[in-house]
Amino acid sequence: NAGVTQTPKFRILKIGQSMTLQCTQDMNHNYMYWYRQDPGMGLKLIYYSVGAGITDKGEVPNGYNVSRSTTEDFPLRLELAAPSQTSVYFCASNRGDYSPLHFGNGTRLTVT
Amino acid sequence: EDKVVQSPLSLVVHEGDTVTLNCSYEVTNFRSLLWYKQEKKAPTFLFMLTSSGIEKKSGRLSSILDKKELFSILNITATQTGDSAIYLCAVEGSAGGTSYGKLTFGQGTILTVHP
Repeated sequence: NAGVTQTPKFRILKIGQSMTLQCTQDMNHNYMYWYRQDPGMGLKLIYYSVGAGITDKGEVPNGYNVSRSTTEDFPLRLELAAPSQTSVYFCASNRGDYSPLHFGNGTRLTVT
Repeated sequence: EDKVVQSPLSLVVHEGDTVTLNCSYEVTNFRSLLWYKQEKKAPTFLFMLTSSGIEKKSGRLSSILDKKELFSILNITATQTGDSAIYLCAVEGSAGGTSYGKLTFGQGTILTVHP
């Protein structure tokens, strides 16, 4: 099993550009999450989804959008990139309550 | 607002030493506490603790949860250079009776083990 797959691994954006971070999982997990990790700050939840067609905001949703049209895919959209969005982004999934998150390998994004 | 605080933020030891990493938390409707190890890429799962006072153990790593005092510790005995990593503590709470949990992460402890 591939688990959670994120693409791209690295990306450099100019201020104001847009992009989509892709995330797909093959474990048939209903729950999916997007986190960002800044140095010394741990992981912050951006958006999460409890199933296809259902998404909700996490702790730091401003500047991002998500969609969940299938169980497998949970893309994260940045519409107008800003330097504050320079970070490492992790997608994760799990079965639900009381089950550990499975993480993708992350996307390192730089906005200049 | 849920809060997780880890200490120390960084730690440097020599191979063979024993280390204790701390995690304290404030969370609404506590469900579970998780420990993750992060090397260069994705965090990998170590332990999940849901009941107070029960020790989870895997080889040289062990963890215990104190739900009364709202903290957990992660112990690593006979450390090796391969233990060098960021150790993340996360707490799962539930928001207002909903059926799913949300993880709040601490800042992490950077552990460096020298030969």
